[in-house]
Amino acid sequence: SQQGEEDPQALSIQEGENATMNCSYKTSINNLQWYRQNSGRGLVHLILIRSNEREKHSGRLRVTLDTSKKSSSLLITASRAADTASYFCATDLQGGSEKLVFGKGMKLTVNP
Amino acid sequence: KAGVTQTPRYLIKTRGQQVTLSCSPISGHRSVSWYQQTPGQGLQFLFEYFSETQRNKGNFPGRFSGRQFSNSRSEMNVSTLELGDSALYLCASMDNSYEQYFGPGTRLTVT
Repeated sequence: SQQGEEDPQALSIQEGENATMNCSYKTSINNLQWYRQNSGRGLVHLILIRSNEREKHSGRLRVTLDTSKKSSSLLITASRAADTASYFCATDLQGGSEKLVFGKGMKLTVNP
Repeated sequence: KAGVTQTPRYLIKTRGQQVTLSCSPISGHRSVSWYQQTPGQGLQFLFEYFSETQRNKGNFPGRFSGRQFSNSRSEMNVSTLELGDSALYLCASMDNSYEQYFGPGTRLTVT
């Protein structure tokens, strides 16, 4: 089952620009996590935000969570070519049987 | 600490065969989850094991099974392989922080 949905599905920007990705979900969550995947490899955990948190920072990453709108956004500031990857949001559902439910992902391309 | 390791990295099997994939979690992590990733369905949760017990299960047929050993290493098995089982199978281990650490995956091709 698909819970999170990233928007846009693809984004192409120039190095140095900021990239914003949005994620919407359907049911109540314990936490929401963002992951990065480079070209068919394993996923790398970026950041976790709990349902009682509204904003979190980690280096060049900023995540917000709006539980009333069931949405989250990931902002990457001062993007680099190395940020080129697919980004996924994943939700840890309240009372869910699935451990994490992932969205279909968003492809970010950062052009040098 | 060493990361999550998965073996083998690549595998080619024929329809009808069975396959066993292995995952070694990060030392000290007791939870291991398995996911299937395909272009059409994306990332889908298969199951989670914690202390040798299946704690959560996704919506996959009974051909997909798994187990966890006392050292937290986990295996998943797919019997009677179908073409649609071709996918990247990812294993993730987790500590108490709820953050999952993924291995590089096993790329399974069924012909």
